[in-house]
Amino acid sequence: NAGVTQTPKFRILKIGQSMTLQCAQDMNHNYMYWYRQDPGMGLKLIYYSVGAGITDKGEVPNGYNVSRSTTEDFPLRLELAAPSQTSVYFCASSLQDRPNQPQHFGDGTRLSIL
Amino acid sequence: LAKTTQPISMDSYEGQEVNITCSHNNIATNDYITWYQQFPSQGPRFIIQGYKTKVTNEVASLFIPADRKSSTLSLPRVSLSDTAVYYCLVVERDDKIIFGKGTRLHILP
Repeated sequence: NAGVTQTPKFRILKIGQSMTLQCAQDMNHNYMYWYRQDPGMGLKLIYYSVGAGITDKGEVPNGYNVSRSTTEDFPLRLELAAPSQTSVYFCASSLQDRPNQPQHFGDGTRLSIL
Repeated sequence: LAKTTQPISMDSYEGQEVNITCSHNNIATNDYITWYQQFPSQGPRFIIQGYKTKVTNEVASLFIPADRKSSTLSLPRVSLSDTAVYYCLVVERDDKIIFGKGTRLHILP
């Protein structure tokens, strides 16, 4: 199994550009999450999904959008990139019928906005 | 939002036992406490999870007092490869998932 796969691994954007960070998992997990991690800081939850067609905001959702059309995929969209969105983005998934089950993380996407 | 509290950093020597404590005053009644390890340029990796008293696996032990307002991760006989950031994770009462700020553990030879 590949686990949680994130693409791309690195990306540089100009201010105002848009892009989609891809996340896919092959473990049939129902929950999926997007986090951002700024240098030297902990992870902050952006959005999460408890199943296909269901998404909810986390701690820092402003400037981002998500969708969950399938169980496997959970893309994160930046519509108007801003320097404050320079960060490392991690996608995670978990199999659970209640929160706080162990999460499986991808290797991250390092995004720079210039 | 209530938050978890951990020491910012800790140093220890190879072969020592390391204990990292996390405070979580507003933990919900039915929620579990989970600890993760993160190496540079990698996503966090699950270490251990518990609800109360003591849990032990092949890499760590987790101690949780009766009031569950804190937890202590115990790493026995650490090595240089245990140098990492350690996070505790609980679900707050409004179901927001919040990582602690993490503890940077530095193991010295």
